[in-house]
Amino acid sequence: GAGVSQSPRYKVAKRGQDVALRCDPISGHVSLFWYQQALGQGPEFLTYFQNEAQLDKSGLPSDRFFAERPEGSVSTLKIQRTQQEDSAVYLCASSFRTGPLPDEQYFGPGTRLTVT
Amino acid sequence: AQSVTQLGSHVSVSEGALVLLRCNYSSSVPPYLFWYVQYPNQGLQLLLKYTSAATLVKGINGFEAEFKKSETSFHLTKPSAHMSDAAEYFCAVSTDKLIFGTGTRLQVFP
Repeated sequence: GAGVSQSPRYKVAKRGQDVALRCDPISGHVSLFWYQQALGQGPEFLTYFQNEAQLDKSGLPSDRFFAERPEGSVSTLKIQRTQQEDSAVYLCASSFRTGPLPDEQYFGPGTRLTVT
Repeated sequence: AQSVTQLGSHVSVSEGALVLLRCNYSSSVPPYLFWYVQYPNQGLQLLLKYTSAATLVKGINGFEAEFKKSETSFHLTKPSAHMSDAAEYFCAVSTDKLIFGTGTRLQVFP
């Protein structure tokens, strides 16, 4: 079956531009996560949805970052007024998880964002 | 708060040699622990997970890891390295969201 897909795979933005990154989770997966992976680092948590509800956004680095999942399926991560420090790979993951216990997360290939 | 420390950002082994990638965790509650592998320009793939059942966990591609509470460790091993094992490996701890280590790049020489 289809895995998690993300688009675009690569995005180059000029500093100050707004960008939108899309994630299509595995069908039927309730939970969706966004992570930011800087070069040479491990992924860092940004935000988490259960269906359409954003239950945790503690990892969003600033108010320029905004995520939504309006129908409980596709999610969009939006970054306003991009800065060079936003350059990273943005990973999306989904899981069956419906409760508080962690579950295996399935990752997409990521979107590599380069801010020039 | 949970955290993960991976000792050694780079590990090099010869093909056929033992692979040992180290991971120590910190968690105030019984942790769920994971090892993921990342190939270039790809997302993360789950190798194995510990969820408080058996302390020796077997994963895909011949990898296994042992949970040692007394040492707060969850090291990843494989008896015989293959060229295709060359990749970045991440240990992660989770009580709700995943907290990743900084990764270990494994190189395998012929």
